[in-house]
Amino acid sequence: QKEVEQDPGPLSVPEGAIVSLNCTYSNSAFQYFMWYRQYSRKGPELLMYTYSSGNKEDGRFTAQVDKSSKYISLFIRDSQPSDSATYLCAMSARQSGGSYIPTFGRGTSLIVHP
Amino acid sequence: GAVVSQHPSWVICKSGTSVKIECRSLDFQATTMFWYRQFPKQSLMLMATSNEGSKATYEQGVEKDKFLINHASLTLSTLTVTSAHPEDSSFYICSASGESRDNEQFFGPGTRLTVL
Repeated sequence: QKEVEQDPGPLSVPEGAIVSLNCTYSNSAFQYFMWYRQYSRKGPELLMYTYSSGNKEDGRFTAQVDKSSKYISLFIRDSQPSDSATYLCAMSARQSGGSYIPTFGRGTSLIVHP
Repeated sequence: GAVVSQHPSWVICKSGTSVKIECRSLDFQATTMFWYRQFPKQSLMLMATSNEGSKATYEQGVEKDKFLINHASLTLSTLTVTSAHPEDSSFYICSASGESRDNEQFFGPGTRLTVL
């Protein structure tokens, strides 16, 4: 079993739909949870960053972490064609040297069609 | 957010040659830089972690003699792919983190390497 599981999709939705993206993980030591957006042939950009369980909202995006279930989600409201991209979840735990090295999911390809 | 640049953005080379990729943090001091490789429709695979002034720590299965990493300053890290082969063709992405926000990584735009 991989440490982080993420359905690669593609997930195709109409413009205006609510999108739900999810990841599951197996390492209970993970403390920080991130969502990145990656457009084709570009580097990832950080969308959301959360610590521990709970919800965090930023505009149309809501990140949700359920540590008891080892499950994280990213919700996108009022989705737009410009949201079409690959969304990668990532999570990290403190290493022995004090640094945090994230483990990435394989990414979910999202297509929002007009 | 902080800005990380990579150069070149795209490189094509002949098999057997070496290619150097630069990663720069433009507006912050990067105490740690990471190098990733990403194959089409795959996730980012961490290759190595480097701290300024010390040797890089390579992930299992990554040949340190083939992928030379130098983190000579707090704003620059380089990845040299030595004696490149077609199977090394991939998208190489660096990221950097600084002391102020250790858990946050800022990614570069990536370098697409094609080895003929």
